[in-house]
Amino acid sequence: SQKIEQNSEALNIQEGKTATLTCNYTNYSPAYLQWYRQDPGRGPVFLLLIRENEKEKRKERLKVTFDTTLKQSLFHITASQPADSATYLCALHLQTGANNLFFGTGTRLTVIP
Amino acid sequence: SAVISQKPSRDICQRGTSLTIQCQVDSQVTMMFWYRQQPGQSLTLIATANQGSEATYESGFVIDKFPISRPNLTFSTLTVSNMSPEDSSIYLCSASQGKYEAFFGQGTRLTVV
Repeated sequence: SQKIEQNSEALNIQEGKTATLTCNYTNYSPAYLQWYRQDPGRGPVFLLLIRENEKEKRKERLKVTFDTTLKQSLFHITASQPADSATYLCALHLQTGANNLFFGTGTRLTVIP
Repeated sequence: SAVISQKPSRDICQRGTSLTIQCQVDSQVTMMFWYRQQPGQSLTLIATANQGSEATYESGFVIDKFPISRPNLTFSTLTVSNMSPEDSSIYLCSASQGKYEAFFGQGTRLTVV
């Protein structure tokens, strides 16, 4: 069966450190992989998109890698701040079918001052 | 970008009744989707709302239980029919212009008693 798993349900780190979140998938061939942030009581907000032929994408303090051989994406937040505390979701676009997104299980990140 | 308004933002409903959730986008979009998010869980895709034709449902979701309308490129509704307590969840509307970032409404928190 198809699965998108984020390896940590919750992650606590000290302010200033780099947070690394993992997204693993099986039985998919995604054309694109995206990362979203979700705060309590709100809908997800788009952060970054990376294509299957890209290895790495950066945006300010965020970095995403995409390894289609390992079927894994890593999401890094450098110089983390308490304001980065939220749930982070990875989502996949499939290469075939409609343009719908399938979401991972999510990781709740807490940055401790 | 697109701004998505969902209403109601929350409701408490009696079992056996139906609730219609409205989703309005501030610009024309190619794709609209409906998701369900159980408390503390990730998003599960219910269906793709197709303009001018029947929605495309994911496995485990059927039209009789979750009828969807999309009369134009900016508006969609999701009805949760014959509700039971198991339908208590957050329902999210999403829109995108294809294989790019998705935008989400703030969600509708439904409690069935």
